[in-house]
Amino acid sequence: AQSVTQLDSQVPVFEEAPVELRCNYSSSVSVYLFWYVQYPNQGLQLLLKYLSGSTLVKGINGFEAEFNKSQTSFHLRKPSVHISDTAEYFCAVSEGGSNYKLTFGKGTLLTVNP
Amino acid sequence: EPEVTQTPSHQVTQMGQEVILRCVPISNHLYFYWYRQILGQKVEFLVSFYNNEISEKSEIFDDQFSVERPDGSNFTLKIRSTKLEDSAMYFCASSESRVKYFGPGTRLTVT
Repeated sequence: AQSVTQLDSQVPVFEEAPVELRCNYSSSVSVYLFWYVQYPNQGLQLLLKYLSGSTLVKGINGFEAEFNKSQTSFHLRKPSVHISDTAEYFCAVSEGGSNYKLTFGKGTLLTVNP
Repeated sequence: EPEVTQTPSHQVTQMGQEVILRCVPISNHLYFYWYRQILGQKVEFLVSFYNNEISEKSEIFDDQFSVERPDGSNFTLKIRSTKLEDSAMYFCASSESRVKYFGPGTRLTVT
């Protein structure tokens, strides 16, 4: 069965600093990986996805993530954060051959301080 | 850009009452889902729906829950007799492939 671990429940950073939000997954088959963002009192918005091809994927708002199969990781990065990036970030995995079901991590609250 | 919509945005109900949460998926999508997020916890899969039937459901999705696609546009989640622990944010999602698009959610509060 697939599972997702987000090691950091909270990540505080200062504006314009770089940030990395960590995500590791566990699966016995091929996977498809996603990052979703949830702004306060809002729904889930797709940030980026890895389906196939290049392991470095770029998403909206300047975020990118790298799929590392050997380390079973899909860490999210941004070189310079803004206060508006303050939100909860969820890593999610969907297994190949499954019914497209998503399994989410527990989320990482990114707080960007001035 | 097309989006998934959900109504109501907030529903308050008394324990034991029935509630129906409504969703309008993106029109050309074929797969539909319900997820829930209890306050402070992670997003959990409830059920997936394809070709007018449930294709997969989680352990959470017991006999109190049901889903329906009553017409060509709506997708509903019914909870027959709500419990306090059903209080959560319920998200509808739709997809045509691996990428799911989520609605804004319905916050259900059971008192």
